[in-house]
Amino acid sequence: QKEVEQNSGPLSVPEGAIASLNCTYSDRGSQSFFWYRQYSGKSPELIMSIYSNGDKEDGRFTAQLNKASQYVSLLIRDSQPSDSATYLCAVAKNNFNKFYFGSGTKLNVKP
Amino acid sequence: EAGVVQSPRYKIIEKKQPVAFWCNPISGHNTLYWYRQNLGQGPELLIRYENEEAVDDSQLPKDRFSAERLKGVDSTLKIQPAELGDSAVYLCASQTQGKRTGELFFGEGSRLTVL
Repeated sequence: QKEVEQNSGPLSVPEGAIASLNCTYSDRGSQSFFWYRQYSGKSPELIMSIYSNGDKEDGRFTAQLNKASQYVSLLIRDSQPSDSATYLCAVAKNNFNKFYFGSGTKLNVKP
Repeated sequence: EAGVVQSPRYKIIEKKQPVAFWCNPISGHNTLYWYRQNLGQGPELLIRYENEEAVDDSQLPKDRFSAERLKGVDSTLKIQPAELGDSAVYLCASQTQGKRTGELFFGEGSRLTVL
């Protein structure tokens, strides 16, 4: 069983819509949760981190964590073509020393 | 502040040849990671260093892969001999210990093609 599971997509949304990206993880001992964005041919960059149950908002991005369901999501409001990228869900264990990445969800935002 | 620097960006070699990748982490970052990312997949850990000590190399294929981080700064990842299945992007990442946000800072990666 993989540590982190994501739907590979592609997820296509029109410009201005809300994009919803989902992720599940297998280990209830996972401590911290992250969303990285990766443009084609580029390296991953952190866009959101969340450590406790509930929602965390940062600009157009909202991360949601439900530890009971072992579920993490990322909402992107007012999606822009520049948001088109692969979004990697990652979980950390062992006091931020062990990171596991999902295979990523490709998002296409159509103008 | 300079980011994580990796070289070369691209490398094409024939199978059974050796190859080496170099990484210079962000200044002051004690933790350094080497990841391998296959096409359409997420990064997978190869090795983690705390300063000059390799503290997690459980996923490093030690028959052909080796790594070092002399003086706890720059790091080199070597593959000898390379196999077709080694074609991937090799990502270096660094992490500060001073602020435990969990953020990894990635370099641009070294894309390896084995023919």
